[in-house]
Formats: sequence, C-alpha cells, structure tokens
Amino acid sequence: DTGVSQNPRHKITKRGQNVTFRCDPISEHNRLYWYRQTLGQGPEFLTYFQNEAQLEKSRLLSDRFSAERPKGSFSTLEIQRTEQGDSAMYLCASSPSGGNQPQHFGDGTRLSIL
Amino acid sequence: GESVGLHLPTLSVQEGDNSIINCAYSNSASDYFIWYKQESGKGPQFIIDIRSNMDKRQGQRVTVLLNKTVKHLSLQIAATQPGDSAVYFCAEGPKTDSWGKFQFGAGTQVVVTP
Repeated sequence: DTGVSQNPRHKITKRGQNVTFRCDPISEHNRLYWYRQTLGQGPEFLTYFQNEAQLEKSRLLSDRFSAERPKGSFSTLEIQRTEQGDSAMYLCASSPSGGNQPQHFGDGTRLSIL
Repeated sequence: GESVGLHLPTLSVQEGDNSIINCAYSNSASDYFIWYKQESGKGPQFIIDIRSNMDKRQGQRVTVLLNKTVKHLSLQIAATQPGDSAVYFCAEGPKTDSWGKFQFGAGTQVVVTP
C-alpha cells in the first residue's frame, strides 16, 4: 500500500499528557498537511509543509501544538499538556507541489482525552 | 466570514437512482474545488476535482458542476450503489500562495436504501 500512513490509529491519554502522532506521506509528494476533524464536521486545516519547510500554520494551532518534518519525508504532530478539547481525529494528507493539487488523506489518528 | 457550506445535511436515495449533492461557497477567490467521500473510521477519499476555468467535469459515475455566477458546486452520482453510502465533503482552495489550504464544508450524509 503506497498511500498516506498514520500511526497510531487510536490514542487514549489522560489530560495533561503529551502525545505525538506520525504521518508517512506518499513518497513522491512534496507537500504534507495536517488537519483536525471533530464529529460531524469537515476537516479543519492546521498546518502544511513544502518539503521540510513549514509554510503556514492555522490560528487553531496553539502553542501546545508543534509539527515537524525534519527530512522532508515523514512528519510528526505533537500536542503538549493535552486538554479535553483536543479530542478529535487528526488527519494527515499529502500532495504533489505545483499550484492546487488533490490532497490524499490517511485514515487519521483518533485522540481521546480522559 | 467566507465559508464553504452544504445545503442538505442528509440525503436519502434509492439504490439505482441518481444522487445530487450541493455545496455553496462564498469566497470568490477560490480557484480549485474538490469532492471527497468519507466512510466511517476512514480518511477522506478523493473523488473528483474541478478548477475555476471549467464548468463541468466527469469521472466514473460522477460529475461535478461549477456555477461561478451563484458560487455553487454540485456532485452528481449516477446509479447510486450501496457502497456510495458515506459523508461527502466539498473543499475549496484559494488562488493565492496558500496552495492547498483547503476549506471544507460540514458534509452531507448520503444514505442509499435498497
């Protein structure tokens, strides 16, 4: 399977703990995106990378959130001091570069905060 | 603010009939539109896209129509099948440097009945 891979698929943690998610994009895609999706809503943009450079961050991405893509391949999204409101599905997508391109999504990491 | 929205939260359609899912957008700067299908527990799956210089685009059993005059996007599914049951999202991308910063609507649940 050469699609976007995310792990873990599910994460349950206590409030105040730190969590880290990983995304492996489609190998030839330069762009990588993170979204958050809550029940009954569409995905909300968080941030995106062109190769290793983080080009844009949403206001939704508070100081507790940090994303990296150190070698321009896989990416990690870390949430520090998790809060109840962080419970959501975190989706990763990738696309080729060159204007607007279709984004291909992974199956997400579902985060539940106890 | 400007947003992407859907007219119908739930669409019930009989197997074999055609489905039409509508989406209104208000950002006149949007240059690119995508329809995604999302099944339970999975990430959004790309269906079809259209750029603002087109009015219509066809795929396998799907057609996307773009009416820029009234800022309206629709997805038509021919001969709807049980496997088409899912939530459908439209997403818009701006004609700016924010390539790929898509804004998603809330989604329409399509239920295919036998």
